[in-house]
Amino acid sequence: DSGVTQTPKHLITATGQRVTLRCSPRSGDLSVYWYQQSLDQGLQFLIQYYNGEERAKGNILERFSAQQFPDLHSELNLSSLELGDSALYFCASRVGENSPLHFGNGTRLTVT
Amino acid sequence: AQSVSQHNHHVILSEAASLELGCNYSYGGTVNLFWYVQYPGQHLQLLLKYFSGDPLVKGIKGFEAEFIKSKFSFNLRKPSVQWSDTAEYFCAVNAPIAGTYKYIFGTGTRLKVLA
Repeated sequence: DSGVTQTPKHLITATGQRVTLRCSPRSGDLSVYWYQQSLDQGLQFLIQYYNGEERAKGNILERFSAQQFPDLHSELNLSSLELGDSALYFCASRVGENSPLHFGNGTRLTVT
Repeated sequence: AQSVSQHNHHVILSEAASLELGCNYSYGGTVNLFWYVQYPGQHLQLLLKYFSGDPLVKGIKGFEAEFIKSKFSFNLRKPSVQWSDTAEYFCAVNAPIAGTYKYIFGTGTRLKVLA
């Protein structure tokens, strides 16, 4: 158990809908990262937050947004969902800039 | 741009064979290096890490990796693989880029071990 908690584990929704994925980092970790993993594109970095502020952006679509709250949990919002958004979404956290990332179990999103 | 290359996308081995997975990165400064493993249906787990010191690092489950600075490489090795090592392996580099530390993953290598 990495200490990073993601909910829900599975999500099935229809095209055009909006979903929110939640992540609680390990205790003491200030940085939260979001990744998307699909069969054809591999592990793609989406966005990073540090202590409530956005730090870095990767290949995140405009339809997607995220935030980190004062209690350090983070939410990833995916809207106007398309079939191609079906993927595993991982959250990871770490305590400092030199520390390894610790991953949650992921949320498997299926868009039908 | 900084990148991490894993040249072997798919590797198939028989049990007890030796394993070496390549990882090369493009960054000239000080880096921290990691290998992660992702078993089928699971999340990424840290196998081993290199920060400084002895360039040969040992991780969990009998894995080791060697940092060769002159070759910008951090190859993963295991002398004798088991069926349970079937998984996807990711190399990652953590380096200061444009004032902040960036964590860059390779594209992964899928290892299949035949019983």
